[in-house]
Amino acid sequence: QPVLTQPPSSSASPGESARLTCTLPSDINVGGYNIYWYQQKPGSPPRFLLYYYSDSDKGQGSGVPSRFSGSTDASANTGILHISGLQSEDEADYYCMIWARNTYVFGSGTKVTVL
Amino acid sequence: QVTLRESGPALVKPTQTLTLTCTFSGFSLSTRGMCVGWIRQPPGKALEWLARIDWDDDKYYNRSLKTRLTISKDTSKNQVVLTMTNVDPVDTATYYCARKAKVGAHFDFWGQGTLVTVSS
Repeated sequence: QPVLTQPPSSSASPGESARLTCTLPSDINVGGYNIYWYQQKPGSPPRFLLYYYSDSDKGQGSGVPSRFSGSTDASANTGILHISGLQSEDEADYYCMIWARNTYVFGSGTKVTVL
Repeated sequence: QVTLRESGPALVKPTQTLTLTCTFSGFSLSTRGMCVGWIRQPPGKALEWLARIDWDDDKYYNRSLKTRLTISKDTSKNQVVLTMTNVDPVDTATYYCARKAKVGAHFDFWGQGTLVTVSS
């Protein structure tokens, strides 16, 4: 079962930007998969934020603000979630996910703290 | 309006079989492209996908848990059932069911989850 590695925590002040990473195992090329991102607040199920494959193939979840965006870094085999203009309501856990080889894999999650 | 609701026992003893039911509305699992999955989350830990069943009865399982899981559907009742055999305290988690989006592999609608504790 592959593992998606996310840093356990990230923090930034309101109005600043956050860059959350999701590193894929070496045998799964980030360029070949949609990277899905979820936000989860305490006591609630995950909320789908967006997916990113390429600049021409990406999608936003229903009602998700445009300050949430995705990208990839092929050199690091990493998917990235960008949050611009951080707000207090963005404080949550964030998970990446892929569907690969008929298997879903979730990342380990990053807790975002808005200072 | 799509909704999903998980139901099942709150407490299960080690070695027993856990049966969870997902009752949904707002879509039909007989519609081409519709799929429902199960995901769990131990307290304070990350999400873990368990299984998915598709409109055409294709089934997919977490390879690490495959021998213990069975997913099935009852289209007439709008229900998906997940059974997990030989449970252990490490299976203590909130169990979610979720609908796969019409386009893409992600889950777009989730139930609120049900907490299952495995303890003697």
